[in-house]
Amino acid sequence: QSVLTQPPSVSGAPGQRVTISCTGSSSNIGAGFDVHWYQQLPGTAPKLLIYGNLNRPSGVPDRFSGSKSGTSASLAITGLQAEDEADYYCQSYDSSLSGSVFGGGTKLTVL
Amino acid sequence: QLQVQESGPGLVKPSETLSLTCAVSGGSISSTTYYWGWIRQPPGKGLEWIGTIYYSGSTYYNPSLKSRVTVSVDTFKNQFSLKVRSVTAADTAVYYCARQGYYYDSSAYYSWGQGTLVTVSS
Repeated sequence: QSVLTQPPSVSGAPGQRVTISCTGSSSNIGAGFDVHWYQQLPGTAPKLLIYGNLNRPSGVPDRFSGSKSGTSASLAITGLQAEDEADYYCQSYDSSLSGSVFGGGTKLTVL
Repeated sequence: QLQVQESGPGLVKPSETLSLTCAVSGGSISSTTYYWGWIRQPPGKGLEWIGTIYYSGSTYYNPSLKSRVTVSVDTFKNQFSLKVRSVTAADTAVYYCARQGYYYDSSAYYSWGQGTLVTVSS
């Protein structure tokens, strides 16, 4: 059971918009700690997609965006492309654990 | 560009100690602006934070693993290491090392190694 809760899977057709939620609690996201998102393509290491709730590292398309409100955060992907098919993970800090916590991951399928 | 790379045995026997090293290139492990972490991913499962170290030697561990884990740093070799004692099949996973940002409690993992699969089996 992950400290941060994500839907196991989401899907969408090419060109559509999908969102992935990440729900935490008052000891992590709700306490004001930043949320970060990672994309993991099959057989590869995770890659930072969004940091500090809404910032994109250089090279990440602006089709990817992040937001945070209360005890939850969301990753939105617009203009879905086949290459976006991957697992997506959210990450934050938990003051009870005094360490990083990850969501269980969401598998995005592009139909 | 700063890179990290894991190395170590791919097979460890039950009850023995898993030992991995993460080499840092393109930058100094002694930089005051980075933390260095270990994360693992069991086959077909999600990511689990193991522990983090600062160049000064300050360490932070996942409470669920703390009794069996040690993370250390070697500034002369520009690398940091992970030891997990008394391993079981549940420790079978891909182990990643990663560079974290300036703030331990709010920074993302900016650079990841390619990962190394460690299997616990006799």
